[in-house]
Amino acid sequence: AQSVTQLGSHVSVSEGALVLLRCNYSSSVPPYLFWYVQYPNQGLQLLLKYTSAATLVKGINGFEAEFKKSETSFHLTKPSAHMSDAAEYFCAVSDQETSGSRLTFGEGTQLTVNP
Amino acid sequence: DAGVTQSPTHLIKTRGQQVTLRCSPKSGHDTVSWYQQALGQGPQFIFQYYEEEERQRGNFPDRFSGHQFPNYSSELNVNALLLGDSALYLCASSWGVASSPLHFGNGTRLTVT
Repeated sequence: AQSVTQLGSHVSVSEGALVLLRCNYSSSVPPYLFWYVQYPNQGLQLLLKYTSAATLVKGINGFEAEFKKSETSFHLTKPSAHMSDAAEYFCAVSDQETSGSRLTFGEGTQLTVNP
Repeated sequence: DAGVTQSPTHLIKTRGQQVTLRCSPKSGHDTVSWYQQALGQGPQFIFQYYEEEERQRGNFPDRFSGHQFPNYSSELNVNALLLGDSALYLCASSWGVASSPLHFGNGTRLTVT
């Protein structure tokens, strides 16, 4: 079985500060890993994905994540937070062998950006 | 290019009733997956439809059923509603069963009273 754990249900940063959202995964097979963002009353939007190519993955809106197999981590970072980054962020994992479309999500991290 | 569209956006039902939610996939996509997102939690996979058949199913009871039509649109049916079924139901589409990424709709907010 696969799972992800997002450390910290709420993260608060100042505008312009570094954003770091933590995700650790558990998988018995090589994983696909994803970060999605959800704005209030909306669905999920893909930020970036890891599918066994480059370990440093660049996504939209200036976000990036690094796959570290030794640490079973896939943390999301952004060098400088904007007010518009305030949202809920979900890390997700899927099994390469079965389906990249069946995702197991973490419980989410609510990001607050303070002016 | 229309994205994933879901209807209705909000729905209120009473315990024991039945509900049908609808989803039209993104243009060019042929696979539809449904997720349940309870308040304050991450989405949970319900099932996936491809070529009008259920291909994968998550840990949900038989009260949850679905259908996919020849035009790739899909319905999610929930029978004998429970209070615990109150959630945001998200539809996601993709091209092919083993394809990513998923494109999500804005969801249907179901409230069971």
